[in-house]
Amino acid sequence: AAGVIQSPRHLIKEKRETATLKCYPIPRHDTVYWYQQGPGQDPQFLISFYEKMQSDKGSIPDRFSAQQFSDYHSELNMSSLELGDSALYFCASSFPPADRVPEAFFGQGTRLTVV
Amino acid sequence: AQTVTQSQPEMSVQEAETVTLSCTYDTSENNYYLFWYKQPPSRQMILVIRQEAYKQQNATENRFSVNFQKAAKSFSLKISDSQLGDTAMYFCAYHRKGAQKLVFGQGTRLTINP
Repeated sequence: AAGVIQSPRHLIKEKRETATLKCYPIPRHDTVYWYQQGPGQDPQFLISFYEKMQSDKGSIPDRFSAQQFSDYHSELNMSSLELGDSALYFCASSFPPADRVPEAFFGQGTRLTVV
Repeated sequence: AQTVTQSQPEMSVQEAETVTLSCTYDTSENNYYLFWYKQPPSRQMILVIRQEAYKQQNATENRFSVNFQKAAKSFSLKISDSQLGDTAMYFCAYHRKGAQKLVFGQGTRLTINP
């Protein structure tokens, strides 16, 4: 079965550079979530989209922006990168009809290293 | 704001034993969902089990079961006949109905010893 696809899997950037992370949800999933997981930390919610509109917003820095496109894929744009942005970035998708549990399926993550 | 607390940073048991991971949460909502996710060394997040708050019956998935106590806001995970492949970080997560956001606990690192 198709899963959530994230690209790239690994990314190395220098401080102050920009990075773009991409997420391709499971077909027919209309909700995308972005999470940041630092070393030894729990996943921190950044932002989510439902039907191409921003839905919920968490602890996403102003230097980051995200959007969901017409084909439901999503991109997380990160500018002025800092060493502290080094983390594993997860994307998840779900298709929550009213009568079903909103189960989130996670991608394998993009490991961002800022040097 | 909703919070999820896992009070056991690490646990270790012998293979084939039963282990219970604790989770408590704080919410003023009545309709929500609770999940346990497993994160093995590969870092992939894998759904283990889910519970709908309006269902009193505890969810069960093979060797995994939960003890959901809504009044106490407690959601523990029991793993029976533990296997070496169960070694992983386990995260408890809360999802308010109608929201597009999962709130995770701090995680419990579970080690199954041979």
